[in-house]
Amino acid sequence: GDSVTQTEGQVALSEEDFLTIHCNYSASGYPALFWYVQYPGEGPQFLFRASRDKEKGSSRGFEATYDKGTTSFHLRKASVQESDSAVYYCALGDSNYQLIWGSGTKLIIKP
Amino acid sequence: GGIITQTPKFLIGQEGQKLTLKCQQNFNHDTMYWYRQDSGKGLRLIYYSITENDLQKGDLSEGYDASREKKSSFSLTVTSAQKNEMAVFLCASSISGVGTETLYFGSGTRLTVL
Repeated sequence: GDSVTQTEGQVALSEEDFLTIHCNYSASGYPALFWYVQYPGEGPQFLFRASRDKEKGSSRGFEATYDKGTTSFHLRKASVQESDSAVYYCALGDSNYQLIWGSGTKLIIKP
Repeated sequence: GGIITQTPKFLIGQEGQKLTLKCQQNFNHDTMYWYRQDSGKGLRLIYYSITENDLQKGDLSEGYDASREKKSSFSLTVTSAQKNEMAVFLCASSISGVGTETLYFGSGTRLTVL
């Protein structure tokens, strides 16, 4: 079946560092790919999505490019801030009713 | 915009007790979901409902019942609370439920079982 893999359980960076969180997927065709962000005490919030090869999604300085060749949708940000501390989820959706979620990556910004 | 309201925010129950969690949305969305999130873990789907009076089981439905009597509300019942199911329960909605759509989440109900 379809699956999403986030390899980093936790990433620790300093302010202004470059961020990459890896997301790889396994699915046939062209599923929609999502990034969600979850702050402490809140539910996940939609960050952005992409649904075609080479399509770039972006929001709040974060971006990711849909890559069918490498089956990836890696999240990147050029310069992280303390307010970016959160858990980031990659997810995959197709014509079914269930979204397939990655295991999440906790981003810690060191002071 | 809209909002998803989950009540209560904190729920404490005894082992073996039947407990009900409630969720209301004013997006006018057709599809609603219940997810369970264990501490430090990802999201697992318990139940979802494509439309009023519809119920579909997710991967984690055993030990839970759900009810969708109105388009705007979706409730989840823990049939017999166990200590190993202390978690945050998240309600979400989407326009029509197809997996390519965005989900909107409430802020969760944290369940503690004594």
